[in-house]
Amino acid sequence: EVQLVESGGGLVQPGGSLRLSCAASGFTFSNYEMNWVRQTPGKGLEWVSYISESGTPMYYAASVRGRFTISRDNAKNSVYLQMNSLRAEDTAVYYCARELRYYTFDYWGQGTLVTVSS
Amino acid sequence: QSALTQPPSASGSPGQSVTISCTGTSSDAGAYDHVSWYQQHSDKAPKLMIYDVTKRPSGVPDRFSGSKSGNTASLTISGLHPEDEADYYCSTYAGSNIGGLFGGGTKLTVL
Repeated sequence: EVQLVESGGGLVQPGGSLRLSCAASGFTFSNYEMNWVRQTPGKGLEWVSYISESGTPMYYAASVRGRFTISRDNAKNSVYLQMNSLRAEDTAVYYCARELRYYTFDYWGQGTLVTVSS
Repeated sequence: QSALTQPPSASGSPGQSVTISCTGTSSDAGAYDHVSWYQQHSDKAPKLMIYDVTKRPSGVPDRFSGSKSGNTASLTISGLHPEDEADYYCSTYAGSNIGGLFGGGTKLTVL
């Protein structure tokens, strides 16, 4: 059974940093592209970042480019999102998602809540 | 503002059919046959229901179908069940370094 389990969310002050992790199991992790997608409270979905099977290339939404960094460790079956210079508008549930193809996501984690507030 | 435009709400009675639209542009939804639809129940993660405009993942009932004409994609649910009540989001590929574009979501109510 495919499982994606996110962790690392929490409350952080504006300007602060947070590192999200996503542990994958039930499939050959190194064969899949991975993404982070976020959902603001009561609102819609927004794609955040992509990483290829090997770790490069990586892509970012314009709203987070230069502040967020995606990475992966295929030996640990994990993908990460380092979030720096956090803003109130980054407050959201962050989902780790496995890519089927062309930014189609066939499995999602349960999400981890990030709250940016003073 | 969302990249793809969906109606905020839709409704139907059990057994009826409902269609949800998703409008993009000639640069995204109109340019690629990689439109997806996701179902999201309250406080749950999204679930893939349709991909590549018309394809259904294993386990998704054939009551769910997708189509596209020009820049507008559609999700049709035939023979509504009470458990179909959820939020539905469309998404499209728009280029490798642009990422996935989502619609604002449609809240489906089964009356």
